[in-house]
Amino acid sequence: DTGVSQNPRHKITKRGQNVTFRCDPISEHNRLYWYRQTLGQGPEFLTYFQNEAQLEKSRLLSDRFSAERPKGSFSTLEIQRTEQGDSAMYLCASSPTRGSGNTIYFGEGSWLTVV
Amino acid sequence: GESVGLHLPTLSVQEGDNSIINCAYSNSASDYFIWYKQESGKGPQFIIDIRSNMDKRQGQRVTVLLNKTVKHLSLQIAATQPGDSAVYFCAENTAGNQFYFGTGTSLTVIP
Repeated sequence: DTGVSQNPRHKITKRGQNVTFRCDPISEHNRLYWYRQTLGQGPEFLTYFQNEAQLEKSRLLSDRFSAERPKGSFSTLEIQRTEQGDSAMYLCASSPTRGSGNTIYFGEGSWLTVV
Repeated sequence: GESVGLHLPTLSVQEGDNSIINCAYSNSASDYFIWYKQESGKGPQFIIDIRSNMDKRQGQRVTVLLNKTVKHLSLQIAATQPGDSAVYFCAENTAGNQFYFGTGTSLTVIP
C-alpha cells in the first residue's frame, strides 16, 4: 500500500489522558499536513511540515497539541490532557513538492473518542 | 481566514441523472482548487483539481468549472451512480500553503 497510512485508526481514551497518532506519508512526499474533522464539517487545518520543519500552525492547535516530524518522514500528533471537545477524526495528508498546485492526498484518518 | 462555503448541504439525484455541486470561495488570491469525495468513515479522496488559469477541466464523468469573477466552483458528475453517494468538499489553496475546506455537500443517489 503506497498511500498515506495512519494509526491507530480508532482510539477511545478517558478525559485527561494523553494520546498519540502516527502518520506515514506517501514515500518521497516532503509536505505533511494534519487536519481535524468533526461530524458534518469539513477538515480544519492544524499544521503542516516541509520535510522536518513545521512551517505553520493553526490557532486551533492549542498548547496541549504537539506535532513532530523528526526525520522528515513519518509524523506524530500528540494530544495531552485530552478533553471531550478533542473527539474528532484526525486526518493526515501529504503532497510531493512545495508550491501552489500540488495535490494533497489523505489517509483514512484516526478517530478519537474522549469519554 | 479564508472562507469556503457550499450553497446546498444536501443533494438528492436519480441514478443516471447529472449532478451539480456548487462551492463559493472568498479569497480572490486562491490559485488552486480541489474537489474531494468522502465516504462515511473514510478520508477524503481526490476527484479533480483546477488551477486558477483555467476555467474548466474534465475528468472521467466529472467536470469542474471555475468562475473567478464571482469566486465560484462547481463539480458536475455525469450519469450519477449509487457509488457516487458521499459528501463532496471543495478545497482552496493560496500560494502553496495549506488548503481550506468548505462544509461539504451530501450527495444521495436514488436508485
